[in-house]
Amino acid sequence: NAGVTQTPKFQVLKTGQSMTLQCAQDMNHEYMSWYRQDPGMGLRLIHYSVGAGITDQGEVPNGYNVSRSTTEDFPLRLLSAAPSQTSVYFCASSRTGSEKLFFGSGTQLSVL
Amino acid sequence: GNSVTQMEGPVTLSEEAFLTINCTYTATGYPSLFWYVQYPGEGLQLLLKATKADDKGSNKGFEATYRKETTSFHLEKGSVQVSDSAVYFCALRGGGSSNTGKLIFGQGTTLQVKP
Repeated sequence: NAGVTQTPKFQVLKTGQSMTLQCAQDMNHEYMSWYRQDPGMGLRLIHYSVGAGITDQGEVPNGYNVSRSTTEDFPLRLLSAAPSQTSVYFCASSRTGSEKLFFGSGTQLSVL
Repeated sequence: GNSVTQMEGPVTLSEEAFLTINCTYTATGYPSLFWYVQYPGEGLQLLLKATKADDKGSNKGFEATYRKETTSFHLEKGSVQVSDSAVYFCALRGGGSSNTGKLIFGQGTTLQVKP
């Protein structure tokens, strides 16, 4: 019963490096999304997807890319990391029409 | 635009004390309201929800009532336990939105319960 799985749990990058945060869910959820969590600011939506092949921008999309080639996977790409992207990142999914989001356990990213 | 404001933490209580975490919102239309909880080292979990005015959501001894007249959704529990120590997030989803995941979150309130 894996639910939403995020990897890695921790990552340290240098400014300008690129990386991909992985997210996979095994619940056949149509909807998937990425949030970042910063102290005093709650969670802010980066990108979301309502199904394979469909993605859209959230509140803070700049500096991040996403794609959704399968229902299960929704990777988040940082093309050129910046210190402002130091944060905890959460992936979440839900069934279409459901108001309950299922969250992964998060990825703590530090950009030096 | 839509927004959620929570009381600042941390909130420190003794076991069996009464808990209130304030949450107010700004939204057009008729939003759905939620409380999510984040235990240490874990992702967020839905705690309770209310979808229309005067609805009361409840779960695990926690309650919150959707008050449209005061635009509030305060979280309460009559007797907290050490195991309730966590970060609590108030959130809303705008009325009429078909996108269930586009939640707007408050900044979170840390609760610490001491034995």
